Amino acid sequence: TQLLEQSPQFLSIQEGENLTVYCNSSSVFSSLQWYRQEPGEGPVLLVTVVTGGEVKKLKRLTFQFGDARKDSSLHITAAQPGDTGLYLCAGPPGAGSYQLTFGKGTKLSVIP
Amino acid sequence: NAGVTQTPKFQVLKTGQSMTLQCAQDMNHEYMSWYRQDPGMGLRLIHYSVGAGITDQGEVPNGYNVSRSTTEDFPLRLLSAAPSQTSVYFCASSFRGQVAYEQYFGPGTRLTVT
Repeated sequence: TQLLEQSPQFLSIQEGENLTVYCNSSSVFSSLQWYRQEPGEGPVLLVTVVTGGEVKKLKRLTFQFGDARKDSSLHITAAQPGDTGLYLCAGPPGAGSYQLTFGKGTKLSVIP
Repeated sequence: NAGVTQTPKFQVLKTGQSMTLQCAQDMNHEYMSWYRQDPGMGLRLIHYSVGAGITDQGEVPNGYNVSRSTTEDFPLRLLSAAPSQTSVYFCASSFRGQVAYEQYFGPGTRLTVT
């Protein structure tokens, strides 16, 4: 079973601060995805990374896939209250699989 | 497009009762799945379907049944509710994007079993 470990589990920061959350595995993933889930809603896909070392930017969010494709990080610059939510990473347990294994998430609170 | 819709939004059941959680998608996605989300446990796959007439078990299937008679609908049935089934249930549909399968989630059903 390929597991995804996310850290930290909880993060509370002030508006305007920068932060990084991590998604780690002992297994190689063909791709990793990041989702954001707001309270009372379902997760929403933010990005998919597939190439080792790949960096993708989505406004103030920067996603990186590790060179060995075993880990990923999400960096948020100048966090805003609208960034508050649960950030989940997920990856297919096998190449081309339509199933996803999810990490347990990082719960982010951005205080105005 | 409405995307993935789920009903009801909230439900309270007594132990032993049965019910069906409804899920529908209008994106013509072949793949659909049901997850449950519990504090500290993340999202766990209950059942999934790769097309009409085809279903399979996920990580935590016990106590749940599914069927897929059409591409659009994928209901989840609780046979005899137990307090351990208190959870938030999410339905998702999926398609093959440019590089990987991408999942679209419904808004969830919050179920309490007393």
